Amino acid sequence: AQSVTQPDIHITVSEGASLELRCNYSYGATPYLFWYVQSPGQGLQLLLKYFSGDTLVQGIKGFEAEFKRSQSSFNLRKPSVHWSDAAEYFCAGDNTDKLIFGTGTRLQVFP
Amino acid sequence: DTAVSQTPKYLVTQMGNDKSIKCEQNLGHDTMYWYKQDSKKFLKIMFSYNNKELIINETVPNRFSPKSPDKAHLNLHINSLELGDSAVYFCASSQAGYYGYTFGSGTRLTVV
Repeated sequence: AQSVTQPDIHITVSEGASLELRCNYSYGATPYLFWYVQSPGQGLQLLLKYFSGDTLVQGIKGFEAEFKRSQSSFNLRKPSVHWSDAAEYFCAGDNTDKLIFGTGTRLQVFP
Repeated sequence: DTAVSQTPKYLVTQMGNDKSIKCEQNLGHDTMYWYKQDSKKFLKIMFSYNNKELIINETVPNRFSPKSPDKAHLNLHINSLELGDSAVYFCASSQAGYYGYTFGSGTRLTVV
């Protein structure tokens, strides 16, 4: 069955530290891949997406993600986290006209 | 202009009631979706419509009935509400070739 896995339920980092959120996918063929962010009480905002081509994808708010076919991974990174980045982050995959979401990673940022 | 708008934003109702949530998109997209986010933040697709035709129905109870009067609107009607229906419901839209989804801001449904 198709699935997206986010192994980390909760991550805590200090402001200014680097960040990496993990995402693994299980599909028959490489899906389109997305990262969304959800701030408390808010909707889902698209950070970035991967369809093909360059495996390093740049997104909004200084985020980037790297697609690694050999590891079935699409990890999200940011070199220096800001307090406003505290939110829930969702990885998602799509190859059958529907998004399948991971369970999310809650990011907490300490000053 | 909001691309995907949902109403209401909050909905509190008693068990057994019937309620509707409305969604409208002004992006010209052909496909619309309903997703449910449960108390643990897990997001799961419920339905999708392509140009008013039901495409995906993910084993959702019959009490949930989507309706798409035109490709810009997708409404969700829920009969005989149960406590377990409490969740945030997100509407989304997409367009073939666009390779992305635009989400509404969600409707928080609380059944008491």
